[in-house]
Amino acid sequence: EAQVTQNPRYLITVTGKKLTVTCSQNMNHEYMSWYRQDPGLGLRQIYYSMNVEVTDKGDVPEGYKVSRKEKRNFPLILESPSPNQTSLYFCASSPRTSGSRETQYFGPGTRLLVL
Amino acid sequence: TQLLEQSPQFLSIQEGENLTVYCNSSSVFSSLQWYRQEPGEGPVLLVTVVTGGEVKKLKRLTFQFGDARKDSSLHITAAQPGDTGLYLCAGPDHTGTASKLTFGTGTRLQVTL
Repeated sequence: EAQVTQNPRYLITVTGKKLTVTCSQNMNHEYMSWYRQDPGLGLRQIYYSMNVEVTDKGDVPEGYKVSRKEKRNFPLILESPSPNQTSLYFCASSPRTSGSRETQYFGPGTRLLVL
Repeated sequence: TQLLEQSPQFLSIQEGENLTVYCNSSSVFSSLQWYRQEPGEGPVLLVTVVTGGEVKKLKRLTFQFGDARKDSSLHITAAQPGDTGLYLCAGPDHTGTASKLTFGTGTRLQVTL
C-alpha cells in the first residue's frame, strides 16, 4: 500500500531533550516536506527536500533540523525542544517538485507535547 | 510568503444544506489545490485548479478558480455528515522558490443530522 508513515504518533517530552520524528514513504517520491499545524495558523512548512542530500528551509525552520540521506526517509530533528514547538506535525511527499500541480501525500501526523 | 485567507473559519450546518467556502489572496497563483482533513488524519487532496475561471466538479463539490487566479471557492450541494472536516486551500509560493507550498488557515465544517 502506497503510504507515508510517521513515528511516533504521539510524544510527550521535556524541554531540552533531543528528539527525532521519523518519516518514510514507499512511493519513490523525490519531494518530501515537513509541516506543523497549529490552531488559527494552519499548516506551515518547516523544511522541504527536493531530492537526496537537497534540503531547504520553509517558513518556520527555527529550532528544527532535517536530513535526507535516503530517498524514502526524511527525519525531523528537534535538538533542544521548547514548549513553543508543541504542535501537530505532518510529513508529506510528492512525485517531483513541490506540488504546484501535484498531489502531496500526507502522513497521519505526530502530536508533540513539550513540557 | 504569499498568504491565503479562508472564510468562514467555522461553519456548522444541517444535512441537506448548501454552503460555499472561500480562499482569497492578494497574490496571483499559478494553481490552487483544495484538501480535506478529517480528525486524526493528514490532509487529502480533493482537486487542483490551474486555469483562471476554471470550474471542476467532484460529485456534490464544485470548485472554481477566479478569473484573476487570486481566489477560489468550494461549493457543497446538499451537505452530508461525511463532508465534515477541515477544508484547506493551498498554492505554490513563487516569492522565493516554487518548491514551497502555502496553505490557508482552513474552514472547519460540521454537518449534523
